Amino acid sequence: GNSVTQMEGPVTLSEEAFLTINCTYTATGYPSLFWYVQYPGEGLQLLLKATKADDKGSNKGFEATYRKETTSFHLEKGSVQVSDSAVYFCALAGGSYIPTFGRGTSLIVHP
Amino acid sequence: GAGVSQSPSNKVTEKGKDVELRCDPISGHTALYWYRQRLGQGLEFLIYFQGNSAPDKSGLPSDRFSAERTGESVSTLTIQRTQQEDSAVYLCASSSLQGRSYGYTFGSGTRLTVV
Repeated sequence: GNSVTQMEGPVTLSEEAFLTINCTYTATGYPSLFWYVQYPGEGLQLLLKATKADDKGSNKGFEATYRKETTSFHLEKGSVQVSDSAVYFCALAGGSYIPTFGRGTSLIVHP
Repeated sequence: GAGVSQSPSNKVTEKGKDVELRCDPISGHTALYWYRQRLGQGLEFLIYFQGNSAPDKSGLPSDRFSAERTGESVSTLTIQRTQQEDSAVYLCASSSLQGRSYGYTFGSGTRLTVV
């Protein structure tokens, strides 16, 4: 079946540091890939997506590239802010139409 | 509506009681999903509705859990004889048929505490 593996957190960074959160997946066919963000006490919000190999999703300074050869979709940001502190979920949607989510990675950014 | 609405936002119930959680999806979204999120954990799929098709119930953890949806409208998730391990945030999401292309919109969740 489909699965998503994310790096364990928490990831703790200072403001303006470079961020990478690793995500790898297992799926048959050609799934769509997503990153969602969850701020404290809120539901998940779509951050970015990519629907085919080599696509790059980007939003609010975050980027992720769909790498089929390495089955990865790593999230990056060049300069994080305190307001980026949240839990980030990598997800995929394959042929079953039911999206599969990773366990989430907590990001803590200190001033 | 403008977003996915869930109610109540918080529910405290005594062990053994039944609870009903409600999800109001985005108008026009044919697909609706329920997930459970235990403290510090990822999202656990519970059930999926698509239009008038039979729901995919493969994620329901026990027969104490059930869900209904009439057409493409409101859904209710019912947990009977609640147990302490049912304590979690229950998240609802909806999407168009092209959810794989455009993504899924989540509600803010219902935090269930069983005491």
